[in-house]
Amino acid sequence: DAGVIQSPRHEVTEMGQEVTLRCKPISGHDYLFWYRQTMMRGLELLIYFNNNVPIDDSGMPEDRFSAKMPNASFSTLKIQPSEPRDSAVYFCASSLSPLGTAIYLGTYEQYFGPGTRLTVT
Amino acid sequence: KQEVTQIPAALSVPEGENLVLNCSFTDSAIYNLQWFRQDPGKGLTSLLLIQSSQREQTSGRLNASLDKSSGRSTLYIAASQPGDSATYLCAVMDSSYKLIFGSGTRLLVRP
Repeated sequence: DAGVIQSPRHEVTEMGQEVTLRCKPISGHDYLFWYRQTMMRGLELLIYFNNNVPIDDSGMPEDRFSAKMPNASFSTLKIQPSEPRDSAVYFCASSLSPLGTAIYLGTYEQYFGPGTRLTVT
Repeated sequence: KQEVTQIPAALSVPEGENLVLNCSFTDSAIYNLQWFRQDPGKGLTSLLLIQSSQREQTSGRLNASLDKSSGRSTLYIAASQPGDSATYLCAVMDSSYKLIFGSGTRLLVRP
């Protein structure tokens, strides 16, 4: 398996521009997570999906951030408009739950992609 | 609110030394605890996962323990090697199934 795939690996954009980050989870995994890592705040969960449905988006910082999962093999995280404080590394992760219920998240580990380093100037 | 703390923040040891990384968490209501490794510019690699009902897990030279009642976990690395140099992150899955991460321990193993 190729693991979790993220694109682009690096993104440099100007303040005010729209940014779209992409993720392909491991085939067969039914949970997908978006995280953000910064020096100041460490790794934070932004949102997670189960079977393409957003379950918890309480970590999304503000309305400028949105995430979608149109099918089991693709998800996007969009920032519009982008700001310099959005500069961070964004990780996507996926996990397998045998019965498709959240309680089993405690059983299987999450597999992380290589991340997208976003710089907003 | 669950908080995860890792000590020390950085550690430098000579090759061959056994070492212990520490992780503490404030709320014992967790589903599991995971140890990850992060190499510069790369994603996280899961090393060990300990279920809340378990006390320890082992993989090769790595051994992780969990004391849920005291809110502590340790990662023991035996016979350290330069290839072990990385940042090690501890994370707990809280009662809402979210992973809460510590800030990590940067390990340097000197040849």
